[in-house]
Amino acid sequence: DAGVTQSPTHLIKTRGQQVTLRCSPKSGHDTVSWYQQALGQGPQFIFQYYEEEERQRGNFPDRFSGHQFPNYSSELNVNALLLGDSALYLCASSDVGGGANEQYFGPGTRLTVT
Amino acid sequence: QQPVQSPQAVILREGEDAVINCSSSKALYSVHWYRQKHGEAPVFLMILLKGGEQKGHDKISASFNEKKQQSSLYLTASQLSYSGTYFCTSGGSNYKLTFGKGTLLTVNP
Repeated sequence: DAGVTQSPTHLIKTRGQQVTLRCSPKSGHDTVSWYQQALGQGPQFIFQYYEEEERQRGNFPDRFSGHQFPNYSSELNVNALLLGDSALYLCASSDVGGGANEQYFGPGTRLTVT
Repeated sequence: QQPVQSPQAVILREGEDAVINCSSSKALYSVHWYRQKHGEAPVFLMILLKGGEQKGHDKISASFNEKKQQSSLYLTASQLSYSGTYFCTSGGSNYKLTFGKGTLLTVNP
């Protein structure tokens, strides 16, 4: 049973560039949440996708956008990268219910903005 | 509003017990506990729901006081593998999970 997978593992980008991160949920899960984790901090909720729509959003600017595909996989896009966007980006999947159900995290994508 | 965890860090010897506390200023719909080892993704430990329902691993125990909006995670007879950062999250009915800052647990031989 495949768990949550994310790609790429590591990424280095320059300020002002755009980046796309990808996530495939655990088999049987249809809900995907994205989190940003800065060094030494807990994950911060970016948004959650269910049925190909953004269901809930955290306090992140519009530079952060996402998409969910019919096969439940998801992408996180960040435009106009800032140095402060450097972080570990985690994807988590769950079945219908979101907050009341356990979330399974992928290994993350380490983004470095120079 | 981010839940508050205490202590921030704790050091144990193998076999000792520990309690990690989590409190929220907002009404909680659910509390989730996760453990994250250095360089790895958070791993689900337990969910506690209003009304007393719990879902999680058999070897982990936790409590949830809905009135006080507090939860505690109980780690007994600690093993080296218990080392890591423990996060509680406050889950609202709006599906959003808000993580605390974490409690660093170190278990030494």
